[in-house]
Amino acid sequence: GQNIDQPTEMTATEGAIVQINCTYQTSGFNGLFWYQQHAGEAPTFLSYNVLDGLEEKGRFSSFLSRSKGYSYLLLKELQMKDSASYLCAVGDQAGTALIFGKGTTLSVSS
Amino acid sequence: DTGVSQDPRHKITKRGQNVTFRCDPISEHNRLYWYRQTLGQGPEFLTYFQNEAQLEKSRLLSDRFSAERPKGSFSTLEIQRTEQGDSAMYLCASRDSNEKLFFGSGTQLSVL
Repeated sequence: GQNIDQPTEMTATEGAIVQINCTYQTSGFNGLFWYQQHAGEAPTFLSYNVLDGLEEKGRFSSFLSRSKGYSYLLLKELQMKDSASYLCAVGDQAGTALIFGKGTTLSVSS
Repeated sequence: DTGVSQDPRHKITKRGQNVTFRCDPISEHNRLYWYRQTLGQGPEFLTYFQNEAQLEKSRLLSDRFSAERPKGSFSTLEIQRTEQGDSAMYLCASRDSNEKLFFGSGTQLSVL
């Protein structure tokens, strides 16, 4: 079976750092993705990890451990506009589709 | 090309009616995906095309759902005999050679 777990909600304040965790159990693995989705909008791509380790891209970083079935998204210097849902997704065995978690709703307050 | 385009943005229909949604992917992407998303959930994979070939359709929610991509360019998703439980956002996405999915703005379906 396939299972992707991430926290439902998180809160943080402007300027802070937040880490959103994701654990997965899938029949195969073809990369782990993070997407951002603002309310009423389509998901937009943030990051892609296929090898273990940390990928840094500006204020956002993503980490992957394939042996542990674990990833996190790290957001630094939080801004109000970072309030959104963050979706963890795994490419399945055949690489034919991304399977998404339920998303983590992040609320950033001043 | 500015991205994945979906039409209509919103659709209100009565239970039992048929509806069809259209998706125009990014032109150079040959892989196209349909997802469904309900409030508070992540996108749920429905079906996938590579060019005109539908390579995965076992996850379509019922036999009332069907999709086509006749010329390997735009795609349509049809729901027959709609039910209230079909109310959701239907998202289309195309995928580039680096495996990134690019989503359209979606079609919000409301079944009354």
